[in-house]
Amino acid sequence: GIQVEQSPPDLILQEGANSTLRCNFSDSVNNLQWFHQNPWGQLINLFYIPSGTKQNGRLSATTVATERYSLLYISSSQTTDSGVYFCAVSDNAGNNRKLIWGLGTSLAVNP
Amino acid sequence: NAGVMQNPRHLVRRRGQEARLRCSPMKGHSHVYWYRQLPEEGLKFMVYLQKENIIDESGMPKERFSAEFPKEGPSILRIQQVVRGDSAAYFCASSMVTDTQYFGPGTRLTVL
Repeated sequence: GIQVEQSPPDLILQEGANSTLRCNFSDSVNNLQWFHQNPWGQLINLFYIPSGTKQNGRLSATTVATERYSLLYISSSQTTDSGVYFCAVSDNAGNNRKLIWGLGTSLAVNP
Repeated sequence: NAGVMQNPRHLVRRRGQEARLRCSPMKGHSHVYWYRQLPEEGLKFMVYLQKENIIDESGMPKERFSAEFPKEGPSILRIQQVVRGDSAAYFCASSMVTDTQYFGPGTRLTVL
């Protein structure tokens, strides 16, 4: 099955700093989503991005499907960005829609 | 448009009891997924359902766990005779025919 690796596993930033999170996947995918799990455990959809580039405020994401990686950019980080960022993928072959998850990047933004 | 709803948000059971977790998908969504997150780990797929059908249950433990998504009402994840290892956060997601899955707030199950 598809393997998903995220890096770095942990990241500590000062408020205002920028960061790049990476997601590598081992096979072709038709679905790639980025999520933020906040300190209260809620999963928040950030992007659906199987290919291309999207931006939403201070966040943007790029997926290069042919090279099997995706990047999540966080600019001008804020303390509310703290939490765990997950990348999840699916190949959607046939009835397969299950998302395969990376282990996440744990981000702490200090004031 | 209300999001995916799950209840209860927190559930405490003693070993051997049954746990029932409910999920109401977003309006217009006919696909439901259940995932489990063990402490300090990522999420793991359990089961994928459409109305009255189980499409993929490859992630479900073979014993004690079952899921349904009836024609009317919420999807139910049922765990019989719970054990301490079942303590986890259980997330439900829903989608339309296309691919973006939207997640509920989760049910935190604690087995004493």
